[in-house]
Amino acid sequence: ETGVTQTPRHLVMGMTNKKSLKCEQHLGHNAMYWYKQSAKKPLELMFVYNFKEQTENNSVPSRFSPECPNSSHLFLHLHTLQPEDSALYLCASSRSLLAGEYNEQFFGPGTRLTVL
Amino acid sequence: KNEVEQSPQNLTAQEGEFITINCSYSVGISALHWLQQHPGGGIVSLFMLSSGKKKHGRLIATINIQEKHSSLHITASHPRDSAVYICAVRSGTGNQFYFGTGTSLTVIP
Repeated sequence: ETGVTQTPRHLVMGMTNKKSLKCEQHLGHNAMYWYKQSAKKPLELMFVYNFKEQTENNSVPSRFSPECPNSSHLFLHLHTLQPEDSALYLCASSRSLLAGEYNEQFFGPGTRLTVL
Repeated sequence: KNEVEQSPQNLTAQEGEFITINCSYSVGISALHWLQQHPGGGIVSLFMLSSGKKKHGRLIATINIQEKHSSLHITASHPRDSAVYICAVRSGTGNQFYFGTGTSLTVIP
């Protein structure tokens, strides 16, 4: 138990569906992250929020839309996804994310997404 | 070419063996992070390093900033150590995160 929870754990959706992934951290952290993990590829950082402000968007297609209403919650809204978006989506949090700093990240269990 | 390279990609060991996993990186970094991922997906933080050596139980991590290299050692390996070990860095200038593809370790009883 890392203090970071994700729901749902598994999701199957069609290409025309709209769904959302939820992440919640109980660690009092101020930075939250979304990662994508595809088979045989390194972790890909998608979005970063620091004190509720988005600080990174690593050229992620607009069919992925993040939302961070407060420092404890992070959402990833999904719409019109493609089969190649099938992957494990991981959420993480850290104390903060300042320039030149790398604070330990705590990961959630992930959501296994399958797009049909 | 990935900014973070891990070796070996796959490793099988007998229970009790001493294991070494290597991580080399090509960027200047603020810190390096060793992570463990068990089957099923959950990722656990093992060590954060910016210099020297850290030890936790049977795990030891070292880093050589000049050589841009880190090693993760497991002493007296056990089947429960079977997992994927991932090395990650944050660049000191551009503040980018880079991840290795992981080393898949299997420890046989």
